[in-house]
Amino acid sequence: NAGVTQTPKFQVLKTGQSMTLQCAQDMNHNSMYWYRQDPGMGLRLIYYSASEGTTDKGEVPNGYNVSRLNKREFSLRLESAAPSQTSVYFCASSRAGAYNEQFFGPGTRLTVL
Amino acid sequence: KQEVTQIPAALSVPEGENLVLNCSFTDSAIYNLQWFRQDPGKGLTSLLLIQSSQREQTSGRLNASLDKSSGRSTLYIAASQPGDSATYLCAAPSNTGKLIFGQGTTLQVKP
Repeated sequence: NAGVTQTPKFQVLKTGQSMTLQCAQDMNHNSMYWYRQDPGMGLRLIYYSASEGTTDKGEVPNGYNVSRLNKREFSLRLESAAPSQTSVYFCASSRAGAYNEQFFGPGTRLTVL
Repeated sequence: KQEVTQIPAALSVPEGENLVLNCSFTDSAIYNLQWFRQDPGKGLTSLLLIQSSQREQTSGRLNASLDKSSGRSTLYIAASQPGDSATYLCAAPSNTGKLIFGQGTTLQVKP
């Protein structure tokens, strides 16, 4: 089992460019999450999907959109990247909701110039 | 509202020492608490999840305890090794079902 995988590992964008971060899990989990991690701010939830077909905003959703493509895949899109979105992005999954153990991917390190 | 705090932010110990990492939470109606490890430049690895009905959970040299009445969880690492050097985070679900993370304790184990 690969667990939670994320692509790409690294990305550099110019302000205003768009991109999609991909996430997939092979644990048959219902719930998936996108977090960002910044120095001094800790981990903050951007969006989550409690189950296939549903998505909800987290703590810092502005500037992002998500798509739960199927049970396995959950993508995060930046429509017009800004320097404030420079961060490390983590995808996570759990069997059903935050009351179950969460498993994290290796992260995407994004720099917006 | 659940808040999670980890003090100290950093800790340095000599190899072989037994150590305790602390995690405090404000809502005693906690459902469970999860401990993670994060190596530099890597993702989070789940170490232990302790349910509210449990007092302790063990995995190898790691032992996590949960005391709801005092709002405290501890992660005990026995016979520490340089390979244990990492940042350790604790997290608990809020009443809205989102995971609330502490800021982490960065542990350095010196050979």
